[in-house]
Amino acid sequence: DSGVTQTPKHLITATGQRVTLRCSPRSGDLSVYWYQQSLDQGLQFLIHYYNGEERAKGNILERFSAQQFPDLHSELNLSSLELGDSALYFCASSVGVQAAAYGYTFGSGTRLTVV
Amino acid sequence: DQQVKQNSPSLSVQEGRISILNCDYTNSMFDYFLWYKKYPAEGPTFLISISSIKDKNEDGRFTVFLNKSAKHLSLHIVPSQPGDSAVYFCAARGSGYSTLTFGKGTMLLVSP
Repeated sequence: DSGVTQTPKHLITATGQRVTLRCSPRSGDLSVYWYQQSLDQGLQFLIHYYNGEERAKGNILERFSAQQFPDLHSELNLSSLELGDSALYFCASSVGVQAAAYGYTFGSGTRLTVV
Repeated sequence: DQQVKQNSPSLSVQEGRISILNCDYTNSMFDYFLWYKKYPAEGPTFLISISSIKDKNEDGRFTVFLNKSAKHLSLHIVPSQPGDSAVYFCAARGSGYSTLTFGKGTMLLVSP
């Protein structure tokens, strides 16, 4: 157990729907990062929050949004889902605003299947 | 534009031999390089890292080499064990950047 909790582990939904993925960072970590891993793709950075504030955005679609709450958990909202959104979504956390030399700690991911 | 590239999707090695996983990068502003290991149904886990001011870092069976002039790094696993079979991701951190940039990964299979 890495200490980063992601729920749900699996999600199957239809095109056009909206889903919310949840992440609880490791205790003491203030940064939360969201990554997407599609078939044949590496880990694509989506968005980074530090202590409730958005710090960096990657290749995140406009249909996707995220936030980090005062208790530091984060949610990634995916709307108007398309088949191509099917992927593994990882959350990671770290103590500081910048990834440390040992990187982040990842959760086990949420596998989203859009049918 | 892929700033971190792992050109070998897969690698097969026999138990006891050396595994060498390669990674190339294009951004000279990266200041730390990391390797992560990922088993199926789990998240990536940190394995080893190296600062851009060093050319080698060793941790047990794992050694990472950095060649800045070639913008190339490699991970050596000696001796390889079946439990090392996993996907290995190369990642890089830019100085002043808050995030890590990952390669697509290399699947290592170590056969008994």
